Amino acid sequence: QTVVTQEPSLTVSPGGTVTLTCASSTGAVTSGYYPNWFQQKPGQAPRALIYSTSNKHSWTPARFSGSLLGGKAALTLSGVQPEDEAEYYCLLYYGGAHPWVFGGGTKLTVL
Amino acid sequence: EVQLVESGGGLVKPGGSLRLSCAASGFTFSSYSMNWVRQAPGKGLEWVSSISSSSSYIYYADSVKGRFTISRDNAKNSLYLQMNSLRAEDTAVYYCARYVSSWSTFDYWGQGTLVTVSS
Repeated sequence: QTVVTQEPSLTVSPGGTVTLTCASSTGAVTSGYYPNWFQQKPGQAPRALIYSTSNKHSWTPARFSGSLLGGKAALTLSGVQPEDEAEYYCLLYYGGAHPWVFGGGTKLTVL
Repeated sequence: EVQLVESGGGLVKPGGSLRLSCAASGFTFSSYSMNWVRQAPGKGLEWVSSISSSSSYIYYADSVKGRFTISRDNAKNSLYLQMNSLRAEDTAVYYCARYVSSWSTFDYWGQGTLVTVSS
């Protein structure tokens, strides 16, 4: 059973910078896992932010960036805004019969 | 404008069946793989099933394999999830999501439909 692990919760001050990470129980996360990041606010559907490690969708604010960091996928928010308070999920690709696994999510509080 | 609209959710007894639908518009449905993702109340996202554009490739999470069947009708721009032998742990909001293979991403999501399995 593959497990994808994220920080359960993080707190950041408005205007600050925070990095969320995404680890795989199978080992280091590489670009071959095509890391995706999604934002979800209460009562809303998830919204795609980042794909294939570091690529932004046309609607993704510039303050969001994706990378690989220390064997994990990472999502960095720079100049955090109050509206960035949300749950963030990573998604990794494993191929085979069970191709996709979501992380457990990180609840980001802007305080 | 890309739109995905799920329907078919509701209250069903354990052991019962339900068929979810996802109506797609604003893009060439037959060119994209599609997915179902669910979210139990207060919990995280769980990938459920994927189907390729021509239905040639189908995958399921272990938690639903043998009980759920994904299908699509490209002529009707619709995605389906037939759910049988439902359990309390299948209670969740079910989302359909478009998959862009060249980007390896789920870019557009529907608003979801709630399935409640309870006696």
